[in-house]
Amino acid sequence: EIQMTQSPSSLYASVGDRVTIICRSSQSISHYLNWFRQRPGKAPELLISAATNLKRGVPSTFSGSGSGTYFTLTISSLTPDDFATYYCQQSSSLPLTFGGGTTVEI
Amino acid sequence: EVQLVESGGALVQPGGSLRLSCSAPGFTLRGFWVNWVRQSSRKGLVWVSRINPDGAITNYADSVKGRFTISRDNAKDTLYLQMRSLTVEDTGLYYCAADYADLPFETWGRGTRVTVSS
Repeated sequence: EIQMTQSPSSLYASVGDRVTIICRSSQSISHYLNWFRQRPGKAPELLISAATNLKRGVPSTFSGSGSGTYFTLTISSLTPDDFATYYCQQSSSLPLTFGGGTTVEI
Repeated sequence: EVQLVESGGALVQPGGSLRLSCSAPGFTLRGFWVNWVRQSSRKGLVWVSRINPDGAITNYADSVKGRFTISRDNAKDTLYLQMRSLTVEDTGLYYCAADYADLPFETWGRGTRVTVSS
């Protein structure tokens, strides 16, 4: 099973800040990495697939990079909607696995 | 906007069974891979199972293999997760998530809660 490790587990930021979240996999997953945002009380929502592909309708303030075992999610300018928990997920091999999450707090 | 709807969650005793359902009112699940994902405070998001569009291919997490069965009825446009021999570790909010537009986990439901407790 591929382990996904996110850092930090939480961070404090302000509206307008730039934040970067790191996701590492225990073995190479090529570009098979997805990012999700989960707002409080809501289901997760897909932001980025295949490491860098922004889902249509997701603001361009979000971007993803990386390949192999190291990936990042960057939010270039935080809005109030972005204070949430973010998860990475690998879709390279079964079982599909999620990272432990990064909570972005005000 | 497409929204999936899960149902069937309940409080059940250890060793018991439940069947969860997932549908897409106003849209369709036909033609898409669909997953079940569990969320708990203890373990976070855990992928449970998935099924391909015609139901011929199913995959499971090791923790549920042999106890859970995923299936779909394309005539009813509904997906199921039959859960047996439940343990407290199965407790959580169960989401179904469909791979619409060839995007993984593109659309999710709001979840249905399963609590396994004596």
